[in-house]
Amino acid sequence: QKEVEQNSGPLSVPEGAIASLNCTYSDRGSQSFFWYRQYSGKSPELIMSIYSNGDKEDGRFTAQLNKASQYVSLLIRDSQPSDSATYLCAVRGRGSARQLTFGSGTQLTVLP
Amino acid sequence: NAGVTQTPKFRILKIGQSMTLQCAQDMNHNYMYWYRQDPGMGLKLIYYSVGAGITDKGEVPNGYNVSRSTTEDFPLRLELAAPSQTSVYFCASSYGLIQETQYFGPGTRLLVL
Repeated sequence: QKEVEQNSGPLSVPEGAIASLNCTYSDRGSQSFFWYRQYSGKSPELIMSIYSNGDKEDGRFTAQLNKASQYVSLLIRDSQPSDSATYLCAVRGRGSARQLTFGSGTQLTVLP
Repeated sequence: NAGVTQTPKFRILKIGQSMTLQCAQDMNHNYMYWYRQDPGMGLKLIYYSVGAGITDKGEVPNGYNVSRSTTEDFPLRLELAAPSQTSVYFCASSYGLIQETQYFGPGTRLLVL
C-alpha cells in the first residue's frame, strides 16, 4: 500500500520563525517529491520539487530529501502571515501513469 | 494560455441525480487526472488518462466514469449522486515527465443532498 504521511497539525509559529513540515513515504521506488501550498478554497500550487538526496533551496523555502529514511521535509524561514495555508506533500512513484500520491496535509498558521 | 479550466465552480445535486464535471486544458498535455478532496484530507485519485482514448481507474473510481475523446477535454461523469460524493473535485494535467509537476484547475465544489 503506497502511503504518504505528514505530521499532524495544526502547526502555529510566530512571524519570523522557521516552520518545519515533515513527510514520510512508504514506496522505496518513489522518484519525485513535491510540496504544494493550498489556501482555503483554492487549488494546490507547487512551491518546491526535489528529486535527489540533500537540500534544495528556493528563497525562503528549503526542501530536504533522505531516500534511505524515506523522508522529505520543507523548511520555511522568516515565516510570514501570508504563508498560513495547508501544505501538501506529494510523491510520484514508478508507475507509467505518473500519478501523485498526496499526504493529508499540514495546516500552518503564522501568527503576527 | 488559460491553463486548466473546470466548470461548474459549485453545484448542488439531489441524491440519484447525474451530472458531468467539465475539465479542459490548453497546454497540449497528454496526461490528465481527476482528484477529489474531502475536508481536511489530501487529494485522492479518481481516474486518469495518458492520452486521447486511454483512461484508467485510480484509487477511488466507484460511482464515477470518464472519457477522453480529445487531448484537451477530460469530463468526469457522476451517474447516481450519493451524499458520499460531496467533495471538492480537482482536475490536473501534465506532459507526463518524471520530474514534472501537475497543473491544477480551480476545482468544482459539489454538494449532494
